[in-house]
Amino acid sequence: EVQLVESGGGLVQPGGSLRLSCAASGLRFEGYWMHWVRQSPGKGLVWVSRIKTDGSATYYADSVKGRFTISRDNAKNTLYLQMNSLRAEDTAVYYCARDRPTWDWGQGTLVTVS
Amino acid sequence: QSALTQPASVSGSPGQSITISCTGTSSDVGVYNYVSWFQQHPGKAPKVLISDVTQRPSGISNRFSGSKSGNTASLTISGLQAEDEADYYCNSYTTSGTWVFGGGTKVTVL
Repeated sequence: EVQLVESGGGLVQPGGSLRLSCAASGLRFEGYWMHWVRQSPGKGLVWVSRIKTDGSATYYADSVKGRFTISRDNAKNTLYLQMNSLRAEDTAVYYCARDRPTWDWGQGTLVTVS
Repeated sequence: QSALTQPASVSGSPGQSITISCTGTSSDVGVYNYVSWFQQHPGKAPKVLISDVTQRPSGISNRFSGSKSGNTASLTISGLQAEDEADYYCNSYTTSGTWVFGGGTKVTVL
């Protein structure tokens, strides 16, 4: 069974930084592109970023480009999201997800910028 | 990176069929067969219902089906059940190498 477990969320002041982690198990982690998706309270899903299997290619939503960095450690089966220069509008539950077609999701970690 | 367009809400009676549309552009939905649909119950993580426009993952009821025509993808739920009451989202790959979600549709079972 595939499990994705996010951690690292919490309360941070505007302008601060936070690093999220996503621990993967039950899958050949290095074989899949991975994503971060966020959901602000009461709002819809918003795609944030994705990373290639070996970390050699990354893509970002315009809203986070230059502030967030996605990375992965295939030896540790872990996905990361380094978030800098945080803003109030970055407040959301952050999910990690395995790429299509399976789109497995974690349970999310809440980031509050206030 | 504009969100795909979905109706804010759709409703139906038990046993009926409903269809949720997801309209994009020639830079996303219209050019790739990489449209997925997700169901999300309150306080829960999303769950994939349909991948790659029409593919239903193992364990997903055949009451859920997907299709696409031009820049618009659709999710049909047949034999509507009370447990189908949830939020539904589409997403699509884009020519920029990014992904984009729809704004979400709240399904109400009357």
